[in-house]
Parts: sequence; C-alpha cells; structure tokens
Amino acid sequence: QVTLRESGPALVKPTQTLTLTCTFSGFSLSTTGMCVSWIRQPPGKALEWLAVIDWDDDKYYNTSLRTRLTISQDTSKNQVVLTMTNMDPVDTATYYCARMPAAGVFHYYGMDVWGQGTTITVSS
Amino acid sequence: QSVLTQPPSVSGAPGQRVTISCTGSSSNIGAGYDVHWYQLLPGTAPKLLIYNNNNRPSEVPDRFSGSKSGTSASLAITGLQAEDEADYCCQSYDSSLSGVVFGGGTKLTVL
Repeated sequence: QVTLRESGPALVKPTQTLTLTCTFSGFSLSTTGMCVSWIRQPPGKALEWLAVIDWDDDKYYNTSLRTRLTISQDTSKNQVVLTMTNMDPVDTATYYCARMPAAGVFHYYGMDVWGQGTTITVSS
Repeated sequence: QSVLTQPPSVSGAPGQRVTISCTGSSSNIGAGYDVHWYQLLPGTAPKLLIYNNNNRPSEVPDRFSGSKSGTSASLAITGLQAEDEADYCCQSYDSSLSGVVFGGGTKLTVL
C-alpha cells in the first residue's frame, strides 16, 4: 500500500524558513520513473505546484518560487523534504506531497497518491 | 491567473451529463503533454480521476471520462450524482515554464 504523510509546523512567522517533510512508504524513489511532488492550496484558491524530485535525484521548481524553494530526499528514511524561505502571510495554505510516476523526464502520469495535507499558517 | 483555463462553475441535474473544459496553449496541452484530472472535496486530499488524457484508475467509475484535442482537454461526467458535487481541476506540464501546471478549478453543482 502506497502512503505519504506530510509533517511540519502549523504556524510560522513572516520571514522564517518553513521545512516540510514528506514520509512515504510502499514505493521507492530510486525506481526509474518515480517522482514526488509538493503542491499547495491557499484557502479558497487553486492548486499550485511547487517542486518535484525524481528517481535520478533531479529537481525542478515552480519558476515563480524558484529562489525560495529547495527540495531534497533522505533515501534512508524514505523522506522528501521541502524548504521554503522568507515565508509571508500569502504562503498560508494546505501543503501536500504526492507520488507522481513518469514515463520519462517531464512526461508525468499524474499524481496518483496524495498525503492528507498539512495546514501552514504564516502569521506574527 | 492559471496557465490552464477552466470555467469557474458548471451545473447539472441528477442523471445528466456535464463537461468541464481545460484550455491551454502550444507550450503545454498543444505541445502534446498529457492532461490529468482531479476531484477536490473539502477537507480531503485531491483524488486522481483521469490520467494521461483519457485513462481512469481502476477505482474511478466509468461515468468519468476524459478527452484531449489540440490545445484543450475535457472531463465528462455522465449520470450525475449528488456525490459528484465537488471542485475539479486539470493538470499538465508546460515547457515554457519547465514545470507542472494546474487549472484554476471548476466547481460542479448538482442541482
């Protein structure tokens, strides 16, 4: 059974750095074609893709947030970590991680399994 | 402003058929990148409904179908049920942005 679970602080202050951890099971990120993405959804707004890490440890980012994001993996713990610097109240959202299999680089099958999401509020 | 454009809302009576469009451009859907559709219910994680334009995961009822043509894609739902009332969102890849892109979402109301 494939599962993903997000964890992180519920509240961060403006200008702080957010660190989110996605702990997964039931698949290996080392398997060719396997990727994990981070996505967020601000209250009442659309889904926004943030970043992806793939089976070759290649990383790709939302260009509008590129300077603030870092995605990495800890293969020994089956975890994918996303850091976002200089947090602002507009970053208040539910943050999800999701498995995203791919036929090749940039040819994704869609996000087939999602975590339950973690709600992050940015406020002083 | 989302890269993929969806109507804000659609509605239909129980038993009817509705379609939700997803309009892109030559750098995403028109470039041949696949389109995927998700169902969003309040308080729950998005659920993959359609992948690679017209494929359904095994657990998704065959009342849901997808299609793609040119720079657009569509999600069709037949035999509308009250439980289908939700937000629906399309997703693809954009080569100009070098990243995954989502539509703005469409709220389906079952009358």
